[in-house]
Amino acid sequence: GQQLNQSPQSMFIQEGEDVSMNCTSSSIFNTWLWYKQDPGEGPVLLIALYKAGELTSNGRLTAQFGITRKDSFLNISASIPSDVGIYFCAGPLTGGFKTIFGAGTRLFVKA
Amino acid sequence: ETGVTQTPRHLVMGMTNKKSLKCEQHLGHNAMYWYKQSAKKPLELMFVYNFKEQTENNSVPSRFSPECPNSSHLFLHLHTLQPEDSALYLCASSQDPLAGANYGYTFGSGTRLTVV
Repeated sequence: GQQLNQSPQSMFIQEGEDVSMNCTSSSIFNTWLWYKQDPGEGPVLLIALYKAGELTSNGRLTAQFGITRKDSFLNISASIPSDVGIYFCAGPLTGGFKTIFGAGTRLFVKA
Repeated sequence: ETGVTQTPRHLVMGMTNKKSLKCEQHLGHNAMYWYKQSAKKPLELMFVYNFKEQTENNSVPSRFSPECPNSSHLFLHLHTLQPEDSALYLCASSQDPLAGANYGYTFGSGTRLTVV
């Protein structure tokens, strides 16, 4: 079945560093969603992508819809301690009514 | 304020207990969901309700029993759970399932359940 693979699983970085993470699938997606889950909270939608090649920013976050439609990337510039959390990619399954989530990338930022 | 409120935030229960999780949203959404989140695993969809009608039961064991009395409230009744059911249970809502999958869900903060 459809599956989303996120890498890396965990990242330990210094405050101020840039971060890159990605999400890949063997299937084509028409929509990519990126969520962030703060410790002790539920996921919150960060960015939505709808077109191959699309590049969308939300503050220090930039996400890209891969040209092949089988991957997506999330970059965080100049990381700060509050960037700590789990970043999930997600996309609608075939049929469009249900969502599949990746297992997440855990980001740790050292001040 | 996420717009989706879950209670309790934490719950410890024995395997013979009966308890309920509550979820409430006043966003005007018509679809509500229960997800299970276990460590280092993708979110697992459990149940979907659309306009109070259950539209998805993702092969969830009968010891989990959902209830949706109206579009704003969702419950998850728990009985005779197993230790492996310990997890974070997340409630979410969206305008409808298609909107949720394509434009995103609003999640609650979750209930951290521990079964002892």
